[in-house]
Amino acid sequence: GENVEQHPSTLSVQEGDSAVIKCTYSDSASNYFPWYKQELGKRPQLIIDIRSNVGEKKDQRIAVTLNKTAKHFSLHITETQPEDSAVYFCAARTSGGSNYKLTFGKGTLLTVNP
Amino acid sequence: DVKVTQSSRYLVKRTGEKVFLECVQDMDHENMFWYRQDPGLGLRLIYFSYDVKMKEKGDIPEGYSVSREKKERFSLILESASTNQTSMYLCASSARDRGGEQYFGPGTRLTVT
Repeated sequence: GENVEQHPSTLSVQEGDSAVIKCTYSDSASNYFPWYKQELGKRPQLIIDIRSNVGEKKDQRIAVTLNKTAKHFSLHITETQPEDSAVYFCAARTSGGSNYKLTFGKGTLLTVNP
Repeated sequence: DVKVTQSSRYLVKRTGEKVFLECVQDMDHENMFWYRQDPGLGLRLIYFSYDVKMKEKGDIPEGYSVSREKKERFSLILESASTNQTSMYLCASSARDRGGEQYFGPGTRLTVT
C-alpha cells in the first residue's frame, strides 16, 4: 500500500519568515495530494490540494509543489503569521481499487514565533 | 456547509466495556472514515465505508468493528475496550465524485481505564 513520509516533525520559524514542509510518497499511481491544517483542539481542515497533472498551485500565502518523478510534494507558507501555528498533515490518494481513502503523513508541528 | 458530528467529545470507559462511537454527516456523502490520532503517529485509518452496509479495513482494524446501516451514519465499535485504545477518534466523510477532500468531525477523546 501507499506510504507517506513527512518532514520535519517540528518546525519553528519567526513571524514573517517562510516555512516549508516536505512529503514523499511510495505509490507512483497516487494522483491527489491534499494538505490539512489542524489547530490545537480543532478538527483537521483542508487548506490546499494538488492533482498529479499539475506541478504547482498557489492560494495567497500558501503554495504546493509536486514532483511526480521524484515522488515528493511540498507545502510552502510565505510571510508566516502566528495564526499559521498548527499541525500540518500531507496525504496521498491512489487511484483505482479502494480509491476513496487517503494515506496521511505523521504531521508537522509548525510554531510561528511573534 | 458540510457538517460532520460525533456523538461525544469526551468519553471515559472501563477495560472490557463495549464502546460505541457514532458519526453523522449531513451532506449525502458516500464515503465515511474512522481514524485514530495519536501524538507522533498522525492519522491512522481504522475502517472506511464507501456505501451503505459496505466496509473495508484500513491500516489498524484490529480490536474494532464498524456499522453503516444508513448513508449518513457510521459507527465505530470497540467490542472489548482496552487501555491501548485510549486515543482521539476522528470521523470523516467525502463525496465520491469529489475525490479525496475529506471533512472531519470534531473528534472524540476516549479514555479507557
